[in-house]
Amino acid sequence: DTEVTQTPKHLVMGMTNKKSLKCEQHMGHRAMYWYKQKAKKPPELMFVYSYEKLSINESVPSRFSPECPNSSLLNLHLHALQPEDSALYLCASSQGLAGGYQETQYFGPGTRLLVL
Amino acid sequence: DAKTTQPPSMDCAEGRAANLPCNHSTISGNEYVYWYRQIHSQGPQYIIHGLKNNETNEMASLIITEDRKSSTLILPHATLRDTAVYYCIVPEYGNKLVFGAGTILRVKS
Repeated sequence: DTEVTQTPKHLVMGMTNKKSLKCEQHMGHRAMYWYKQKAKKPPELMFVYSYEKLSINESVPSRFSPECPNSSLLNLHLHALQPEDSALYLCASSQGLAGGYQETQYFGPGTRLLVL
Repeated sequence: DAKTTQPPSMDCAEGRAANLPCNHSTISGNEYVYWYRQIHSQGPQYIIHGLKNNETNEMASLIITEDRKSSTLILPHATLRDTAVYYCIVPEYGNKLVFGAGTILRVKS
């Protein structure tokens, strides 16, 4: 099973709201990723977690706060977002065995976020 | 910036082979080439990867030139469901995927 699930599928929030995106995998993977994809653009990496520790932050604004409470779960907490943050947020996972090396990533279907 | 360059779009007739090229002239000796695709509004899907030898799986074949500076993804019998954006990626340290613009493949009946 190579399934990564993401909830919710769609989210509409105001600029003063606090919301969270959830990502889950049960493949025993120890690396998890958040990507952001704006309309008609390719995905862009935001964060990488390796063994539940944040290993890469691609200079993402602090209004995005990732959390990895256990090896199967990855959250993205959202606070005081701007309309330009509206995008498809994708989660992915990989085995995490190769350290900094190359591994296949398995993506979830994404959460489509609209900020009003 | 992405380490690869791909044509922006290609058309293919249904049932025919789709051959998608990718240039990665700065690839290092131990770096793999990965291919993913993204069907409209879905998450990217892994297709295949390779280092120097040609590879084949149930979805596609990957042909890598001997100098490793370019590769071709082959979908042997394209169907309408293969219409998607195809990304050729050389992962960076930390398993970072830097997506370029990819190739929009349109399969037509």
